[in-house]
Amino acid sequence: DAGVIQSPRHEVTEMGQEVTLRCKPISGHNSLFWYRQTMMRGLELLIYFNNNVPIDDSGMPEDRFSAKMPNASFSTLKIQPSEPRDSAVYFCASSTGQGSGNTIYFGEGSWLTVV
Amino acid sequence: AQKVTQAQTEISVVEKEDVTLDCVYETRDTTYYLFWYKQPPSGELVFLIRRNSFDEQNEISGRYSWNFQKSTSSFNFTITASQVVDSAVYFCALSGYNAGNMLTFGGGTRLMVKP
Repeated sequence: DAGVIQSPRHEVTEMGQEVTLRCKPISGHNSLFWYRQTMMRGLELLIYFNNNVPIDDSGMPEDRFSAKMPNASFSTLKIQPSEPRDSAVYFCASSTGQGSGNTIYFGEGSWLTVV
Repeated sequence: AQKVTQAQTEISVVEKEDVTLDCVYETRDTTYYLFWYKQPPSGELVFLIRRNSFDEQNEISGRYSWNFQKSTSSFNFTITASQVVDSAVYFCALSGYNAGNMLTFGGGTRLMVKP
């Protein structure tokens, strides 16, 4: 079975440019998460969707970040305009159920470098 | 609030040695779930185990074993007869009942297994 699929795997962009990261969750999973990993802050939850609806976006750093989930099989995380401090690995993850404690499966990550 | 502490930031062992990775957690929830993930050098996050707070039985899977002790709020991970392929960063994570499916990660322990 296909896991969580993210694209692009690697992106290098210039400061000020718009960046769009894409995610396809595991089929049948109805919860989707965006995490960011940096050396300084470790793994942080940015936003959590359930049944395509954002449930908790308290981790989104600022208005430059936005996330959408137009349907059950696709989500985007957009950064506009990008800044060097946004350089990180961005993970998309998915799980079944809305309750608590379900196992979350991660994609391979999108490695973003903003120069 | 939830918190996960992995006090060991880096461990180095020689192949075939046993190694234990420590994880201590804090939560106010009486029902919660604990996880371990592996992040190999290639960067993806691989799910290893999920445990709920009502199941304190130790778990063994091949060379891997986990020791869950509610009395000390710990969920330690032991690798027996370590191999070079075990070299990775290992993350412990917590999901409290009231946190839905959202995971709080520890800072990770980097394990280096030398031949």
